[in-house]
Amino acid sequence: NAGVTQTPKFQVLKTGQSMTLQCAQDMNHEYMSWYRQDPGMGLRLIHYSVGAGITDQGEVPNGYNVSRSTTEDFPLRLLSAAPSQTSVYFCATGTTTEAFFGQGTRLTVV
Amino acid sequence: AQKITQTQPGMFVQEKEAVTLDCTYDTSDPSYGLFWYKQPSSGEMIFLIYQGSYDQQNATEGRYSLNFQKARKSANLVISASQLGDSAMYFCAMREPSRGGSYIPTFGRGTSLIVHP
Repeated sequence: NAGVTQTPKFQVLKTGQSMTLQCAQDMNHEYMSWYRQDPGMGLRLIHYSVGAGITDQGEVPNGYNVSRSTTEDFPLRLLSAAPSQTSVYFCATGTTTEAFFGQGTRLTVV
Repeated sequence: AQKITQTQPGMFVQEKEAVTLDCTYDTSDPSYGLFWYKQPSSGEMIFLIYQGSYDQQNATEGRYSLNFQKARKSANLVISASQLGDSAMYFCAMREPSRGGSYIPTFGRGTSLIVHP
């Protein structure tokens, strides 16, 4: 039982490049979300989904795109990477009483 | 306005002593939940404890307890008998149904706890 799997764990991008951060869960939860973590800022919500085919914006959605075609997968797309998107990204899923996190992706944009 | 406020950027405690990490929250929903997470230097997010707004008793999980004061909108984490391995960042989070019926936690900025031997 893997829980929440994020890939890659580390990534370096050049400004303007695009990429997709992958997130997969095997817990059959409806709720999935993406957060970014920056020093002193805690975890800020980027996008979230309450089920397949349903997504919505969080606090900091600009520059990111998501889709949810299956219960298991919730990829996060960076359309044109900027240095301000250098951060640690966490994917999460869960119930009303617990959120389960992936191991995180450390992204650097140069 | 911040939904979750953690006013202590850093805390120090002596090993084997108890420590309280503060958290206040802001919501107008009657149904909500409060979480605490631990993030060690390795980076993973570890769930510690959960308290629902309708729960009559304070939540406890081993050495962790949540001091829930609903009228004050306070949800402090108490760690008893601190251990060196408790040194980490601690995040308070709240879920509320106002986001289109979803239950996605909103996080505070965290408190860094250092346990001294």
